[in-house]
Amino acid sequence: SQTIHQWPATLVQPVGSPLSLECTVEGTSNPNLYWYRQAAGRGLQLLFYSIGIGQISSEVPQNLSASRPQDRQFILSSKKLLLSDSGFYLCASTGQYNSPLHFGNGTRLTVT
Amino acid sequence: SQQGEEDPQALSIQEGENATMNCSYKTSINNLQWYRQNSGRGLVHLILIRSNEREKHSGRLRVTLDTSKKSSSLLITASRAADTASYFCATDGYGGSQGNLIFGKGTKLSVKP
Repeated sequence: SQTIHQWPATLVQPVGSPLSLECTVEGTSNPNLYWYRQAAGRGLQLLFYSIGIGQISSEVPQNLSASRPQDRQFILSSKKLLLSDSGFYLCASTGQYNSPLHFGNGTRLTVT
Repeated sequence: SQQGEEDPQALSIQEGENATMNCSYKTSINNLQWYRQNSGRGLVHLILIRSNEREKHSGRLRVTLDTSKKSSSLLITASRAADTASYFCATDGYGGSQGNLIFGKGTKLSVKP
């Protein structure tokens, strides 16, 4: 089965600083990869998804970007963080259409 | 806009009781999924029900789907303190692309021992 590794688990960053969150996947090849953000008391918002190396689709205009340099690596970045970027970021993976999403344990980002 | 909306937002029950959570959605779907999230952790998939299915069981979980009413329910029978978590429904409201699941805000379940 798939295992999703995300790090760091928690992060506190000042406004205007850069961001890089990394996600790696084990147990599958050529997965579809996703970045979600969860704000307090709200559901998950899909930010980016990727169906292959270098292929990134953005769902919501953000102060964020994503990259997929390798088959099982997905990176979420920002050049300058905003207060509104605070939240719980989750990476997810699925191997086949109509199969469940596997999630990492998330990164709690606080922008101060 | 949100596709799935869970009801109630919060539910507190005693161990041994049954817990029922509901989900409503707005557009046609191919399938509906339920996920569980322990506090501060990632989501874990519980069950998937396809649009041509009406009921599905998995252990103490029972999920129903009523596509005419655009609603689903998750029943947890004989609840345990370890069932304490948030539960989310998710639908593929964008016409089948698996990853473009739309999640509701969740039901926070508290099971008291």
